[in-house]
Amino acid sequence: DAMVIQNPRYQVTQFGKPVTLSCSQTLNHNVMYWYQQKSSQAPKLLFHYYDKDFNNEADTPDNFQSRRPNTSFCFLDIRSPGLGDAAMYLCATSRVGGEEDTQYFGPGTRLTVL
Amino acid sequence: RKEVEQDPGPFNVPEGATVAFNCTYSNSASQSFFWYRQDCRKEPKLLMSVYSSGNEDGRFTAQLNRASQYISLLIRDSKLSDSATYLCVAMGGSNYKLTFGKGTLLTVNP
Repeated sequence: DAMVIQNPRYQVTQFGKPVTLSCSQTLNHNVMYWYQQKSSQAPKLLFHYYDKDFNNEADTPDNFQSRRPNTSFCFLDIRSPGLGDAAMYLCATSRVGGEEDTQYFGPGTRLTVL
Repeated sequence: RKEVEQDPGPFNVPEGATVAFNCTYSNSASQSFFWYRQDCRKEPKLLMSVYSSGNEDGRFTAQLNRASQYISLLIRDSKLSDSATYLCVAMGGSNYKLTFGKGTLLTVNP
């Protein structure tokens, strides 16, 4: 059974047209992360939520925003996608403070910007 | 210097071969280490956690040397299905963020 779910799996948007990617989890983990991964590169952390506390990485562009309305859901909003934002976007979760601090990844959303 | 550095690869090996991946990390405060496997166009999946002096899981053995800040992954009797990118990952000491290496591509040939 899927534990970290991302929707949609594939997203096509136009240059400058806002897009929202969705992540949900059934693990009741307290931390949720968003990563951007481009071809042949390592996943790059954009930001994460520890419970309701938002933690932005210093080099994450303002164009990227996130919302976490409850424990289960987290959204990635790209306000004005550029061609350089085409990538795989990965959501991950972990339970910090528990016995296991492993991060579990969702299947990703592949974003194409036309 | 990158925080987590891996062999650049790619590695091409025949079935049945033993292959070793090496990884170094620069943050001495890192406490947890992992090997993730990523198939083409898929998400990373945890292969092994590496704690204290290392551990073994079937054909896979992970070693950690804290003094040298070095982690390794050994795959014995490699299978075609082992073909993937292997990501070395460190988790910081005072935070819970993962730092990924760039990954090493392994192709196991028949």
